Amino acid sequence: NAGVTQTPKFQVLKTGQSMTLQCAQDMNHEYMSWYRQDPGMGLRLIHYSVGAGITDQGEVPNGYNVSRSTTEDFPLRLLSAAPSQTSVYFCASTPSRTDTQYFGPGTRLTVL
Amino acid sequence: KQEVTQIPAALSVPEGENLVLNCSFTDSAIYNLQWFRQDPGKGLTSLLLIQSSQREQTSGRLNASLDKSSGRSTLYIAASQPGDSATYLCAVRGIQGAQKLVFGQGTRLTINP
Repeated sequence: NAGVTQTPKFQVLKTGQSMTLQCAQDMNHEYMSWYRQDPGMGLRLIHYSVGAGITDQGEVPNGYNVSRSTTEDFPLRLLSAAPSQTSVYFCASTPSRTDTQYFGPGTRLTVL
Repeated sequence: KQEVTQIPAALSVPEGENLVLNCSFTDSAIYNLQWFRQDPGKGLTSLLLIQSSQREQTSGRLNASLDKSSGRSTLYIAASQPGDSATYLCAVRGIQGAQKLVFGQGTRLTINP
């Protein structure tokens, strides 16, 4: 198993540009999440999904969209990038609420 | 609102020492608590998962305990090695609402040879 994979590893955007961060898992996990990690703020939940076709907002959802058309994929879309979205983004998955959470390697995003 | 605190923020010890990292949380209504390791520029690696009904979990030189009623967990590392140098994060999954993990800020651990 590849586990949780994320692409790209690094990305630089200009303010106002849009892009999609990709996340995929091959463990057939129902639960998937996106977090951002910022110095002094720790990891914060952006959006999450409890299964294909079901998504919901986390703690800091503004400026981001998600969809879950398949169990494997959970892309995160930045609609109009802002410097405040400069961060490291982590995708995670777990089979259930009582199981271990597995994290991807992260995407380091810089918005100029 | 659940809050997770980790003390100390940074710790530096000589190789071979046994050490304890602390994690406290404000709401005891949790499914579980998880300890992670994060190396610089890398993702999070799960170390130990303790369910709310459990008191401790062990993996090799690592032992994690959970006292849900007092809102505390400790991660014990025995016979520390330079390869243990990393940031250690604890996270709790609450029973209420979303299935999110609430993270502490982490303890940056340095093991000196």
